[in-house]
Amino acid sequence: GESVGLHLPTLSVQEGDNSIINCAYSNSASDYFIWYKQESGKGPQFIIDIRSNMDKRQGQRVTVLLNKTVKHLSLQIAATQPGDSAVYFCAENGAGNMLTFGGGTRLMVKP
Amino acid sequence: SAVISQKPSRDICQRGTSLTIQCQVDSQVTMMFWYRQQPGQSLTLIATANQGSEATYESGFVIDKFPISRPNLTFSTLTVSNMSPEDSSIYLCSVANRLNTEAFFGQGTRLTVV
Repeated sequence: GESVGLHLPTLSVQEGDNSIINCAYSNSASDYFIWYKQESGKGPQFIIDIRSNMDKRQGQRVTVLLNKTVKHLSLQIAATQPGDSAVYFCAENGAGNMLTFGGGTRLMVKP
Repeated sequence: SAVISQKPSRDICQRGTSLTIQCQVDSQVTMMFWYRQQPGQSLTLIATANQGSEATYESGFVIDKFPISRPNLTFSTLTVSNMSPEDSSIYLCSVANRLNTEAFFGQGTRLTVV
């Protein structure tokens, strides 16, 4: 079946640098996407979302980019901080309004 | 965003027993879901908890193993029945609006079956 996947399982960045986490999706009918952050021992935390009629959306230190042509989603974190260390999941809202989650990327921030 | 409380936060259970996990939301929500997250993996949807009717299960999950209740718009339970070590996972409650946008999660229940 169609699924959401990620390019990199682990991303290590220096504190203060920008981070880019990527996600590929295959369901062209998906019209809504969410990025979640999951810290150890906690549930996923909503970060930012984007609808398919948008290419870019910005939040506080985070930006989500959507490229529908190549079915690619990315999360950019500016000035990465140690508190950003976590696993990040993308999710797509496709058929039946069900969320399908990607495999997750672990972000490690080096001091 | 809604405040979601899950109980218990963790438990260690003997194989063959059952555990019921509770999910309480501080406001009425349209959609409630239950997910499983196996160690080091992503989230898999178990079922949609429907108020006043039987839950809608995803492929690979059945009511006899994971009975779900949703008596009102703020509360749901998931039971993991006749547990085996393979059921050791984090179980997560999620709430959302009708279109399943702005979906939020509880803290999860970390279950270990021995």
